[in-house]
Amino acid sequence: ELKVEQNPLFLSMQEGKNYTIYCNYSTTSDRLYWYRQDPGKSLESLFVLLSNGAVKQEGRLMASLDTKARLSTLHITAAVHDLSATYFCAVATGNQFYFGTGTSLTVIP
Amino acid sequence: GAVVSQHPSWVICKSGTSVKIECRSLDFQATTMFWYRQFPKQSLMLMATSNEGSKATYEQGVEKDKFLINHASLTLSTLTVTSAHPEDSSFYICSARDPRGPYGYTFGSGTRLTVV
Repeated sequence: ELKVEQNPLFLSMQEGKNYTIYCNYSTTSDRLYWYRQDPGKSLESLFVLLSNGAVKQEGRLMASLDTKARLSTLHITAAVHDLSATYFCAVATGNQFYFGTGTSLTVIP
Repeated sequence: GAVVSQHPSWVICKSGTSVKIECRSLDFQATTMFWYRQFPKQSLMLMATSNEGSKATYEQGVEKDKFLINHASLTLSTLTVTSAHPEDSSFYICSARDPRGPYGYTFGSGTRLTVV
C-alpha cells in the first residue's frame, strides 16, 4: 500500500513569513495533487503535478515535484490570514488515490 | 462545470438505523466514483471505488456489508451505512474524475454523519 506522509502536521506562522510543507510518498506514482480544506468543508483543488521537476504557482502558493526523491513541496510566500486551512497532498497511481496526513496551517497576524 | 453534488450535508441518526448518502454528478457522467471517510482532524481514507453497473471495490478493512454502495446510473452513486453505530460518525466525501481534464478529481461537499 502506498503511504503518504506530510510534514509538519501543524503549522502556526506569522503573516508575511514564508514556509514549506513537505509531502513524501513511498512508491512511484503517476501524479501528485495538492488540496485545501476549510473546516467543515470539502476539498478545493490547488495543483496537480504530473512529471519530475514540475512546478506550479498560484498566488502565494507554489508546488513542486521531485519524483526521484518521491517528494513534493508546497511553498507559502508572505502568508496571509486567508491561507489558514488544512492542506493535503494526494498521490495517484492508476485509479488509486492516497491522501497525506494533512497539514493544519494557522496564519496569525 | 464538473460539479458533484452530495446529499445530505449533515444527518443525525439513532444507533441501529441505516442512512443513505447520495452523490450525483450534475453535468457530466461518472463511470467511477470514490467514497472517502474523514474522522476529525484526520486525513481522508478511501473506503471504496464505485463502478457504474458493477460491484464496488472496497479497501482493506472496510466492511462491504455495512457500507453498501450502489452505482446504478452514470450520474448517481449512493453509500448506505447500515446498522449505524456511534463509531461510524464521520465526514463522508465522494469524488469523481473531472471530465474537463485527464487528471482532475471533483469532490462533493461532504456529509457529516452523527450517530447517537
